[in-house]
Amino acid sequence: QITLKESGPTLVKPTQTLTLTCTFSGFSLSTSGVGVGWIRQPPGKALEWLALIYWNDDKRYSPSLKSRLTITKDTSKNQVVLTMTNMDPVDTATYYCALPIADYSAAFDIWGQGTMVTVSS
Amino acid sequence: QSVLTQPPSVSAAPGQKVTISCSGSSSNIGNNYVSWYQQLPGTAPKLLIYDNNKRPSGIPDRFSGSKSGTSATLGITGLQTGDEADYYCGTWDSSLSADVFGTGTKVTVL
Repeated sequence: QITLKESGPTLVKPTQTLTLTCTFSGFSLSTSGVGVGWIRQPPGKALEWLALIYWNDDKRYSPSLKSRLTITKDTSKNQVVLTMTNMDPVDTATYYCALPIADYSAAFDIWGQGTMVTVSS
Repeated sequence: QSVLTQPPSVSAAPGQKVTISCSGSSSNIGNNYVSWYQQLPGTAPKLLIYDNNKRPSGIPDRFSGSKSGTSATLGITGLQTGDEADYYCGTWDSSLSADVFGTGTKVTVL
């Protein structure tokens, strides 16, 4: 059974750096073609794709957020970490990590439950 | 900010059919596979359709997907009250080198 779970702070202050961890089981991020992505959703708004990291450490970022995002993986711990710098209240959202349905697919089949992050002083 | 445009809402009576459109461009829908997601209130999105018209295991055939040019469509037949949710399209955008999602459509069962 494949599962993913997000963890991190629920509240961050403006200008701070957010660090979120996606801990997964049931697959390996060292397997050829596998990737893990991050998606967020502000309250009442649409989904927004943030970043994705592949088995070979190839990384993709949202062009609009690229300067603020870093995605890394720890294969031995089955974790993917997303950091976002210079947090702003508009970054308040539920953050999800997800696994694509197939190698290099843009369709996310398995999602974590999401973690709500509020940016406020 | 989304590069994929969907109608804000659609509605129909139980048992009827609804279709949801997703409009994009040649850099996204026109040259890449489209996926569709259902998001029930307070839950994570659920993949309904991938590769334009394929259903993951467990998704009933009441849900169907199609693509033509730079637009895609999700169809839901035999509408049920449990289908009330937000629906999103998604695809890869070759110009942005990024995944993109649609603006979302709320389905209401009358």
